[in-house]
Amino acid sequence: AQSVTQLDSQVPVFEEAPVELRCNYSSSVSVYLFWYVQYPNQGLQLLLKYLSGSTLVKGINGFEAEFNKSQTSFHLRKPSVHISDTAEYFCAVSEVGVNEKLTFGTGTRLTIIP
Amino acid sequence: DAGVTQSPTHLIKTRGQQVTLRCSPKSGHDTVCWYQQALGQGPQFIFQYYEEEERQRGNFPDRFSGHQFPNYSSELNVNALLLGDSALYLCASIQRDGNEQFFGPGTRLTVL
Repeated sequence: AQSVTQLDSQVPVFEEAPVELRCNYSSSVSVYLFWYVQYPNQGLQLLLKYLSGSTLVKGINGFEAEFNKSQTSFHLRKPSVHISDTAEYFCAVSEVGVNEKLTFGTGTRLTIIP
Repeated sequence: DAGVTQSPTHLIKTRGQQVTLRCSPKSGHDTVCWYQQALGQGPQFIFQYYEEEERQRGNFPDRFSGHQFPNYSSELNVNALLLGDSALYLCASIQRDGNEQFFGPGTRLTVL
Protein backbone atom coordinates (compact mmCIF):
# COMPACT_ATOMS: atom_id res chain seq x y z
CA ALA A 1 0.00 0.00 0.00
CA GLN A 2 1.04 3.57 -0.57
CA SER A 3 0.61 6.71 1.49
CA VAL A 4 1.14 10.40 0.79
CA THR A 5 1.95 13.14 3.28
CA GLN A 6 1.53 16.79 2.45
CA LEU A 7 3.29 18.55 5.27
CA ASP A 8 1.58 21.92 4.95
CA SER A 9 -2.19 22.25 5.04
CA GLN A 10 -2.06 25.96 4.19
CA VAL A 11 0.60 28.08 2.49
CA PRO A 12 0.18 31.86 2.15
CA VAL A 13 2.51 33.50 -0.37
CA PHE A 14 2.83 37.04 -1.66
CA GLU A 15 2.13 37.58 -5.35
CA GLU A 16 5.22 37.17 -7.57
CA ALA A 17 7.10 35.36 -4.78
CA PRO A 18 8.34 31.77 -5.22
CA VAL A 19 6.53 28.85 -3.61
CA GLU A 20 7.27 25.24 -2.72
CA LEU A 21 4.58 22.76 -1.73
CA ARG A 22 5.95 19.69 -0.05
CA CYS A 23 5.00 16.08 -0.68
CA ASN A 24 6.45 12.89 0.75
CA TYR A 25 5.29 9.41 -0.07
CA SER A 26 5.71 5.90 1.26
CA SER A 27 5.60 2.77 -0.86
CA SER A 28 7.19 -0.66 -0.97
CA VAL A 29 6.93 -0.75 -4.77
CA SER A 30 7.77 1.59 -7.62
CA VAL A 31 5.31 4.41 -8.07
CA TYR A 32 4.19 7.10 -10.43
CA LEU A 33 3.77 10.56 -8.91
CA PHE A 34 1.28 13.29 -9.72
CA TRP A 35 0.29 16.78 -8.70
CA TYR A 36 -3.30 17.88 -9.21
CA VAL A 37 -4.89 21.30 -8.70
CA GLN A 38 -8.47 21.88 -7.60
CA TYR A 39 -10.06 25.28 -8.01
CA PRO A 40 -13.11 26.10 -5.86
CA ASN A 41 -16.16 24.02 -6.71
CA GLN A 42 -14.35 22.18 -9.49
CA GLY A 43 -12.83 18.78 -10.13
CA LEU A 44 -9.14 17.98 -10.30
CA GLN A 45 -6.81 19.09 -13.06
CA LEU A 46 -3.44 17.45 -13.66
CA LEU A 47 -0.50 19.82 -13.22
CA LEU A 48 2.32 17.37 -13.90
CA LYS A 49 3.39 13.76 -13.53
CA TYR A 50 6.54 11.75 -13.00
CA LEU A 51 6.66 8.35 -14.67
CA SER A 52 10.35 7.77 -15.30
CA GLY A 53 13.45 9.45 -16.67
CA SER A 54 14.46 12.97 -15.71
CA THR A 55 13.70 13.70 -12.09
CA LEU A 56 12.77 17.31 -12.87
CA VAL A 57 9.30 17.46 -14.34
CA LYS A 58 7.74 20.53 -15.87
CA GLY A 59 4.00 21.02 -15.93
CA ILE A 60 1.34 23.52 -16.86
CA ASN A 61 1.05 27.08 -15.58
CA GLY A 62 4.78 27.36 -14.87
CA PHE A 63 4.88 24.66 -12.19
CA GLU A 64 7.65 22.08 -11.86
CA ALA A 65 8.43 19.27 -9.45
CA GLU A 66 11.48 17.23 -8.59
CA PHE A 67 11.40 13.53 -7.78
CA ASN A 68 13.86 12.55 -5.06
CA LYS A 69 13.88 8.81 -4.60
CA SER A 70 16.25 8.74 -1.63
CA GLN A 71 14.07 11.20 0.28
CA THR A 72 10.83 9.81 -1.16
CA SER A 73 9.74 13.33 -1.99
CA PHE A 74 8.07 15.07 -4.91
CA HIS A 75 7.93 18.77 -4.04
CA LEU A 76 6.09 21.22 -6.28
CA ARG A 77 7.62 24.60 -7.09
CA LYS A 78 6.83 27.77 -8.95
CA PRO A 79 9.30 30.66 -9.23
CA SER A 80 6.68 33.42 -9.27
CA VAL A 81 3.06 32.94 -8.26
CA HIS A 82 0.01 34.78 -9.49
CA ILE A 83 -3.37 35.47 -7.92
CA SER A 84 -4.88 32.86 -10.23
CA ASP A 85 -2.76 30.16 -8.55
CA THR A 86 -4.98 30.32 -5.47
CA ALA A 87 -6.33 26.78 -5.18
CA GLU A 88 -6.01 23.44 -3.40
CA TYR A 89 -3.09 21.30 -4.52
CA PHE A 90 -3.00 17.52 -4.15
CA CYS A 91 -0.07 15.17 -4.44
CA ALA A 92 -0.91 11.61 -5.50
CA VAL A 93 0.79 8.30 -6.21
CA SER A 94 -0.11 5.15 -8.06
CA GLU A 95 1.66 1.84 -8.15
CA VAL A 96 3.46 1.26 -11.43
CA GLY A 97 1.23 -0.95 -13.53
CA VAL A 98 -1.82 -0.17 -11.38
CA ASN A 99 -2.56 3.25 -12.78
CA GLU A 100 -6.24 3.19 -11.98
CA LYS A 101 -5.92 3.59 -8.23
CA LEU A 102 -4.58 6.94 -7.05
CA THR A 103 -3.69 7.57 -3.42
CA PHE A 104 -3.93 11.23 -2.52
CA GLY A 105 -2.51 13.40 0.21
CA THR A 106 -4.76 15.65 2.26
CA GLY A 107 -4.00 18.69 0.15
CA THR A 108 -2.32 22.08 0.55
CA ARG A 109 -4.33 25.25 0.24
CA LEU A 110 -2.24 27.87 -1.55
CA THR A 111 -3.36 31.43 -0.90
CA ILE A 112 -1.79 34.26 -2.88
CA ILE A 113 -1.58 37.58 -1.08
CA PRO A 114 -1.77 40.65 -3.36
CA ASP B 1 -14.02 16.65 -26.69
CA ALA B 2 -16.49 16.94 -23.81
CA GLY B 3 -14.16 15.47 -21.22
CA VAL B 4 -15.55 13.64 -18.20
CA THR B 5 -19.09 14.63 -17.34
CA GLN B 6 -21.05 13.91 -14.18
CA SER B 7 -24.66 14.30 -13.13
CA PRO B 8 -26.26 15.66 -11.15
CA THR B 9 -24.16 18.58 -9.95
CA HIS B 10 -25.72 18.68 -6.51
CA LEU B 11 -27.95 16.32 -4.61
CA ILE B 12 -29.65 16.44 -1.21
CA LYS B 13 -30.85 13.24 0.43
CA THR B 14 -31.93 12.14 3.89
CA ARG B 15 -30.46 9.39 6.01
CA GLY B 16 -31.47 5.90 4.93
CA GLN B 17 -32.22 6.86 1.35
CA GLN B 18 -30.46 5.57 -1.74
CA VAL B 19 -28.68 7.63 -4.38
CA THR B 20 -27.37 7.07 -7.91
CA LEU B 21 -24.66 9.21 -9.45
CA ARG B 22 -23.73 9.11 -13.11
CA CYS B 23 -20.53 9.55 -15.08
CA SER B 24 -19.61 9.64 -18.76
CA PRO B 25 -15.90 9.12 -19.46
CA LYS B 26 -13.68 11.10 -21.75
CA SER B 27 -13.90 10.03 -25.37
CA GLY B 28 -11.60 7.07 -26.01
CA HIS B 29 -11.40 6.01 -22.37
CA ASP B 30 -12.66 2.61 -21.30
CA THR B 31 -12.00 2.64 -17.56
CA VAL B 32 -13.86 4.60 -14.90
CA CYS B 33 -12.79 5.22 -11.30
CA TRP B 34 -14.84 6.74 -8.50
CA TYR B 35 -13.49 8.77 -5.59
CA GLN B 36 -15.04 10.26 -2.48
CA GLN B 37 -13.71 13.61 -1.30
CA ALA B 38 -14.89 14.63 2.16
CA LEU B 39 -14.67 18.28 3.11
CA GLY B 40 -11.08 19.32 3.71
CA GLN B 41 -9.68 15.95 2.65
CA GLY B 42 -8.06 14.44 -0.38
CA PRO B 43 -10.03 12.13 -2.65
CA GLN B 44 -10.27 8.49 -1.59
CA PHE B 45 -10.52 5.68 -4.13
CA ILE B 46 -13.85 3.84 -4.04
CA PHE B 47 -13.58 1.45 -6.99
CA GLN B 48 -12.65 0.98 -10.64
CA TYR B 49 -14.74 -0.38 -13.49
CA TYR B 50 -13.40 -1.90 -16.69
CA GLU B 51 -15.23 -4.10 -19.17
CA GLU B 52 -18.39 -3.70 -17.09
CA GLU B 53 -16.83 -5.31 -14.03
CA GLU B 54 -15.47 -3.98 -10.76
CA ARG B 55 -11.71 -4.55 -10.91
CA GLN B 56 -10.35 -2.85 -7.81
CA ARG B 57 -11.99 -1.62 -4.64
CA GLY B 58 -10.91 0.72 -1.88
CA ASN B 59 -11.86 0.54 1.76
CA PHE B 60 -15.58 1.24 1.36
CA PRO B 61 -18.53 -0.84 2.63
CA ASP B 62 -20.83 -2.85 0.40
CA ARG B 63 -23.37 -0.02 0.58
CA PHE B 64 -21.28 1.46 -2.21
CA SER B 65 -21.82 -0.31 -5.51
CA GLY B 66 -21.45 0.52 -9.13
CA HIS B 67 -22.11 -0.40 -12.68
CA GLN B 68 -20.51 0.18 -16.04
CA PHE B 69 -22.45 0.12 -19.28
CA PRO B 70 -21.33 -1.06 -22.73
CA ASN B 71 -20.72 2.57 -23.76
CA TYR B 72 -18.25 2.83 -20.82
CA SER B 73 -20.43 5.21 -18.80
CA SER B 74 -20.81 4.37 -15.14
CA GLU B 75 -23.06 4.71 -12.13
CA LEU B 76 -22.24 4.87 -8.44
CA ASN B 77 -24.96 3.71 -6.09
CA VAL B 78 -24.98 4.30 -2.36
CA ASN B 79 -27.60 2.58 -0.20
CA ALA B 80 -28.74 3.34 3.34
CA LEU B 81 -27.16 6.79 3.30
CA LEU B 82 -25.39 8.02 6.42
CA LEU B 83 -24.56 11.58 7.40
CA GLY B 84 -20.91 10.69 6.85
CA ASP B 85 -21.57 9.98 3.18
CA SER B 86 -21.86 13.72 2.56
CA ALA B 87 -19.00 14.52 0.21
CA LEU B 88 -17.95 15.46 -3.29
CA TYR B 89 -18.00 12.35 -5.47
CA LEU B 90 -15.51 12.48 -8.31
CA CYS B 91 -15.44 10.33 -11.38
CA ALA B 92 -12.24 9.87 -13.35
CA SER B 93 -11.59 8.08 -16.59
CA ILE B 94 -8.43 6.56 -18.00
CA GLN B 95 -7.45 4.56 -21.03
CA ARG B 96 -6.71 1.00 -19.91
CA ASP B 97 -3.00 1.21 -20.73
CA GLY B 98 -2.74 4.89 -19.94
CA ASN B 99 -1.19 6.61 -16.94
CA GLU B 100 -3.24 9.79 -16.57
CA GLN B 101 -6.68 10.04 -15.05
CA PHE B 102 -9.02 12.80 -16.16
CA PHE B 103 -11.50 14.00 -13.57
CA GLY B 104 -15.03 15.26 -13.88
CA PRO B 105 -16.39 18.26 -11.96
CA GLY B 106 -17.95 16.03 -9.30
CA THR B 107 -21.34 15.59 -7.67
CA ARG B 108 -21.84 17.27 -4.31
CA LEU B 109 -23.96 14.95 -2.12
CA THR B 110 -25.46 16.29 1.08
CA VAL B 111 -27.12 13.85 3.48
CA LEU B 112 -29.44 15.40 6.06
